[in-house]
Amino acid sequence: EPEVTQTPSHQVTQMGQEVILRCVPISNHLYFYWYRQILGQKVEFLVSFYNNEISEKSEIFDDQFSVERPDGSNFTLKIRSTKLEDSAMYFCASAKLATNEKLFFGSGTQLSVL
Amino acid sequence: GESVGLHLPTLSVQEGDNSIINCAYSNSASDYFIWYKQESGKGPQFIIDIRSNMDKRQGQRVTVLLNKTVKHLSLQIAATQPGDSAVYFCAENPPTGGGNKLTFGTGTQLKVEL
Repeated sequence: EPEVTQTPSHQVTQMGQEVILRCVPISNHLYFYWYRQILGQKVEFLVSFYNNEISEKSEIFDDQFSVERPDGSNFTLKIRSTKLEDSAMYFCASAKLATNEKLFFGSGTQLSVL
Repeated sequence: GESVGLHLPTLSVQEGDNSIINCAYSNSASDYFIWYKQESGKGPQFIIDIRSNMDKRQGQRVTVLLNKTVKHLSLQIAATQPGDSAVYFCAENPPTGGGNKLTFGTGTQLKVEL
């Protein structure tokens, strides 16, 4: 069964550093997402992406965050200057359709900001 | 059972018994609902979904029931197995104008005892 893959599985960084989280969505999917889950809390929507532009973003997704699809297979989330509160598990997801369609999630990247 | 925003409850069942996990969703206008399973160290895994024009949907060993009157969703797992041990999340897709911007509950920990 096709799956969403994410790298790295764990990322440790110093506060203020830039990090890039990488994802390879399922190949025939067109809609891409980032969600995050702070330890002990709910999974939260960050951003959706379609046709090389952001479709929707949450309040969490401020100017420190950006997403990019640099080629035909990768989808990245960049945090320019990490803060302690950015520590979380970040999940990439993809879907075939725009709405009311099941999302397929990757295994996540655990980001720890020290 | 669980409700969006509450602490993570735990459900313990004996192997072979049926499990029922409950969820109270928040937005009466939500038109699509999904149950996800999350095992330790992995991303959310799709189990079953249901649209608001239905009140019941069955999959393999799982059934989802939707009661729009009281904004309640339940997941029934038949003949629960040790491999079913995980955290189960319900998610709703409110009609925000964007697509697949899921709102997750906090989850229910299912423990299957041998």
